[in-house]
Amino acid sequence: QKEVEQNSGPLSVPEGAIASLNCTYSDRGSQSFFWYRQYSGKSPELIMFIYSNGDKEDGRFTAQLNKASQYVSLLIRDSQPSDSATYLCAVGAGNNNDMRFGAGTRLTVKP
Amino acid sequence: DGGITQSPKYLFRKEGQNVTLSCEQNLNHDAMYWYRQDPGQGLRLIYYSQIVNDFQKGDIAEGYSVSREKKESFPLTVTSAQKNPTAFYLCATARVFGANVLTFGAGSRLTVL
Repeated sequence: QKEVEQNSGPLSVPEGAIASLNCTYSDRGSQSFFWYRQYSGKSPELIMFIYSNGDKEDGRFTAQLNKASQYVSLLIRDSQPSDSATYLCAVGAGNNNDMRFGAGTRLTVKP
Repeated sequence: DGGITQSPKYLFRKEGQNVTLSCEQNLNHDAMYWYRQDPGQGLRLIYYSQIVNDFQKGDIAEGYSVSREKKESFPLTVTSAQKNPTAFYLCATARVFGANVLTFGAGSRLTVL
């Protein structure tokens, strides 16, 4: 079982719609959760992090965490073509808070 | 202009050659990391360093070596022992070790001919 799992996609949504990206993790002791965006050929850039159960909103982005279900999601409202990228879920776990990355979900927003 | 500089951006290597990827940061971050990214896979940790003159193996350290002689620099050597070195290599830093917010460099793409 992979430590951090994401649907590889591609996920395609029309411009203006809500994109929903999901991530599950195996280590129940995980404490920190991150979403990175990676454009093709570029390095990842941090979008959001969340530590507590519930929702965290930042502009058009909302991260949702459910530790009981070991599930974290990212919602992108009013999706724009510029949001088209691969979204990486990362989870901090273990004594050293080791970061574990999912393989990423490729999102395409169609004009 | 604070940030992380990785060089070279693209590198071609013949089989049997060692190559060194540079990572320099001026963020004054204590922790530095090297990740490898292959298509369809998540980032995998090669080596990390918590402080100067200290580094630890990550999940896939075989065939790689590092040094941390200065706080600003964490070069990665891909040795001939690495059987499948073609990949995208990412250097990252964190303010302190265990602080999970990572800042990434632009990456180095290594291709073995």
